[in-house]
Amino acid sequence: GQQLNQSPQSMFIQEGEDVSMNCTSSSIFNTWLWYKQDPGEGPVLLIALYKAGELTSNGRLTAQFGITRKDSFLNISASIPSDVGIYFCAGQGNQGGKLIFGQGTELSVKP
Amino acid sequence: EAQVTQNPRYLITVTGKKLTVTCSQNMNHEYMSWYRQDPGLGLRQIYYSMNVEVTDKGDVPEGYKVSRKEKRNFPLILESPSPNQTSLYFCASLKQGATWGTEAFFGQGTRLTVV
Repeated sequence: GQQLNQSPQSMFIQEGEDVSMNCTSSSIFNTWLWYKQDPGEGPVLLIALYKAGELTSNGRLTAQFGITRKDSFLNISASIPSDVGIYFCAGQGNQGGKLIFGQGTELSVKP
Repeated sequence: EAQVTQNPRYLITVTGKKLTVTCSQNMNHEYMSWYRQDPGLGLRQIYYSMNVEVTDKGDVPEGYKVSRKEKRNFPLILESPSPNQTSLYFCASLKQGATWGTEAFFGQGTRLTVV
């Protein structure tokens, strides 16, 4: 079945640094989504991408839908302590509404 | 307020004692899904439902049952829980459009411990 590889698995950075994480797949996706999960909470949608090549920003967050439709990245600029959490990518292929999730990137930000 | 509500948030139970985790959404979405989250494995789909009375297995359905008698509710049933079902469970409701794809809205999670 379809699988997503998300990297890195964890990051420990200094406040103010930029962060980059990505997801790759062996198959094509029609939708890429990026979620953030705060401790003890459910994932919350950050950015949704629906077209190959699309570059979308949400505040300090920027995400891109890869041209090949097999990858996506998320950048966070000028990180702050509240960026701490687990970030998940998710992709939707041709299997109706089924979303495939990456393994998550756990971000820690040192003040 | 649009939301997905799961209950309970925390549950400790013993092996073999049947339990149900409830999920309700108020967004009139047709598609709902259950996931379990385990360290290093991300979110894995257990079961999903594309509409009332339409359910299907996800990637890890063994040991679970679901039902969808009404659009808003999608309970997860563990008939005979085992310790390997100790996990964090999330219910999701999906907004789908022909032109703009799919977005999932998650409940707050249910942390289940089976001893």
